[in-house]
Amino acid sequence: DAGVTQSPTHLIKTRGQHVTLRCSPISGHKSVSWYQQVLGQGPQFIFQYYEKEERGRGNFPDRFSARQFPNYSSELNVNALLLGDSALYLCASSTPGQGLYGYTFGSGTRLTVV
Amino acid sequence: AQKVTQAQTEISVVEKEDVTLDCVYETRDTTYYLFWYKQPPSGELVFLIRRNSFDEQNEISGRYSWNFQKSTSSFNFTITASQVVDSAVYFCALGGYQKVTFGTGTKLQVIP
Repeated sequence: DAGVTQSPTHLIKTRGQHVTLRCSPISGHKSVSWYQQVLGQGPQFIFQYYEKEERGRGNFPDRFSARQFPNYSSELNVNALLLGDSALYLCASSTPGQGLYGYTFGSGTRLTVV
Repeated sequence: AQKVTQAQTEISVVEKEDVTLDCVYETRDTTYYLFWYKQPPSGELVFLIRRNSFDEQNEISGRYSWNFQKSTSSFNFTITASQVVDSAVYFCALGGYQKVTFGTGTKLQVIP
């Protein structure tokens, strides 16, 4: 079975631009979460989506948004990019309740804002 | 608010030595879960172990073992007979259904 897949793997954007990151969860997993990991830090929670609805949001500005599609895949959108948005963006999937047992993370998208 | 503290930023050991990674957490929840994740240079977070707040039994799984002490809010992780492949950043995390709060990580370097 395929794990959590994220695309693209690497991305370079210019300040002020918009970016869309994509995530496909493990088959059967209905919950997707997004995390931002700045170099040298632990991942920070951005969003959780379950059954296409936002179920949780971390302390991130409104420039960050996300959505989940009927096939449970998800997109993370960031508008008006800042240099500080440069980070590894991780997607994690889980089934209801299984989140307690350890989310499965993808390999991430490394975003560089120049 | 939840908080996870990993005081050790970097640790270097010689291959075959045992190494313990420290983790201290803060939470007001009575039910919570603790995790250890490994992040190799490839970037993917690899789930290692979990513990719920009601189970303080310490276990050993292969070369991995963990020591959960609720009284001191600590969840330490030990690798026995370390190997070069264990070199990675290790994250302790605290969480539940909605989100996971990670520590800042401990970079482990195992020297051959």
